Amino acid sequence: QKEVEQDPGPLSVPEGAIVSLNCTYSNSAFQYFMWYRQYSRKGPELLMYTYSSGNKEDGRFTAQVDKSSKYISLFIRDSQPSDSATYLCAMTLSNTGNQFYFGTGTSLTVIP
Amino acid sequence: NAGVTQTPKFRILKIGQSMTLQCTQDMNHNYMYWYRQDPGMGLKLIYYSVGAGITDKGEVPNGYNVSRSTTEDFPLRLELAAPSQTSVYFCASSYAHGSETQYFGPGTRLLVL
Repeated sequence: QKEVEQDPGPLSVPEGAIVSLNCTYSNSAFQYFMWYRQYSRKGPELLMYTYSSGNKEDGRFTAQVDKSSKYISLFIRDSQPSDSATYLCAMTLSNTGNQFYFGTGTSLTVIP
Repeated sequence: NAGVTQTPKFRILKIGQSMTLQCTQDMNHNYMYWYRQDPGMGLKLIYYSVGAGITDKGEVPNGYNVSRSTTEDFPLRLELAAPSQTSVYFCASSYAHGSETQYFGPGTRLLVL
């Protein structure tokens, strides 16, 4: 079983839609949860970061962590064509930064 | 700040050739990482370093070597290129603590034929 599972998509939505991206994980010791956005032929960039369970909101983006279900989500409200990218979830056991576990990424296209 | 820079952007190698992928960061980060990204496979950690002179293996280190003589540079060496090493390679860096943020370079696309 992979440490982190993520539906690769692709996901295609009309502009303005609410997008839900999800990851599940197997290691209950994960404490730090991140979402990265990766545009085509670019390196990933950090979008959201959450420690332990709960919600975090930043503009149109909301990250949720449910540790009891080992499930994390990223919601994008009022999606824009500029949101078209691959979204990677990542998690780590601690904040020492030496081992990040990444999902395979979900490809999202927002159609104008 | 340039952030994390990688060279070359693209390279074609023949089987058995060697090359070094260069990575430099100007943020004075202690932690640096090398990942490879294959289609549908996500990012796999090859090697990482917690500071100059200190390196350690990640998930997929076979066929690669690294060194860290300065804080800024973290080159990745392929000694005997194999087709299985065809991939996109990303270098990243982060602070030692509160390192939830890894800053990634633009990547090097490597094709081994």
